[in-house]
Amino acid sequence: QLQLQESGPGLVKPPETLSLTCTVSGGSIISSGYYWGWIRQPPGKGLEWIGSCYYTGRPYYHPSLKSRVTISVDTSKNQFSLKLTSVTAADTAVYYCAGPDFYYFDHWGQGTLVTVSS
Amino acid sequence: QSALTQPPSASGSPGQSVTISCTGTSSDVGANNYVSWYQQHPGKAPRLMMYEVSKRPSGVPDRFSGSKSGNTASLTVSGLQPDDEADYYCCSYAGNNNLEFGTGTKVTVL
Repeated sequence: QLQLQESGPGLVKPPETLSLTCTVSGGSIISSGYYWGWIRQPPGKGLEWIGSCYYTGRPYYHPSLKSRVTISVDTSKNQFSLKLTSVTAADTAVYYCAGPDFYYFDHWGQGTLVTVSS
Repeated sequence: QSALTQPPSASGSPGQSVTISCTGTSSDVGANNYVSWYQQHPGKAPRLMMYEVSKRPSGVPDRFSGSKSGNTASLTVSGLQPDDEADYYCCSYAGNNNLEFGTGTKVTVL
């Protein structure tokens, strides 16, 4: 059974870079056909897909965030990561990692709250 | 590309049925069968309840069913139970390797 766990700073200052890592256990991140994604949820608001990355490293991003986002896979550590540059208060959210399909997410991390504040 | 439209709220008494709609366009919901639904209890991660419009993941009760007509997908919860009270989100493939979530619906069990 796949398990995902997010990790990273809970507080980021604007306009720095938000960096999170998702550790996958119970399975290999490089299994054929697996995609790994990031979704966020601002406090009291809905879900927003940030982007997904194929296990070989080919990433896809939401058009509204494309200029600021990088998602990558570290196969040696069974991890994938999210970097979001030039953050503002609007990027304050619970960030979830999820997978392993591109079109839907049946395994989720517990989520981690990232607050953007000086 | 914009969020799919869901009603803000829906409600029903225990044992009744409630249907949640998810309206998109011919570029997303209407263009493919990659519509999924998620249940989210307060403070918890979302849980996949339906994928590819009408397929239930293992462990999801058959009280949950999904359908699609044109640009609108729907999730029906039959035989409402107290634990069904939660937020529900749809999600659709929107073409060009993009995904879009719905605005979310709060389901209340009266």
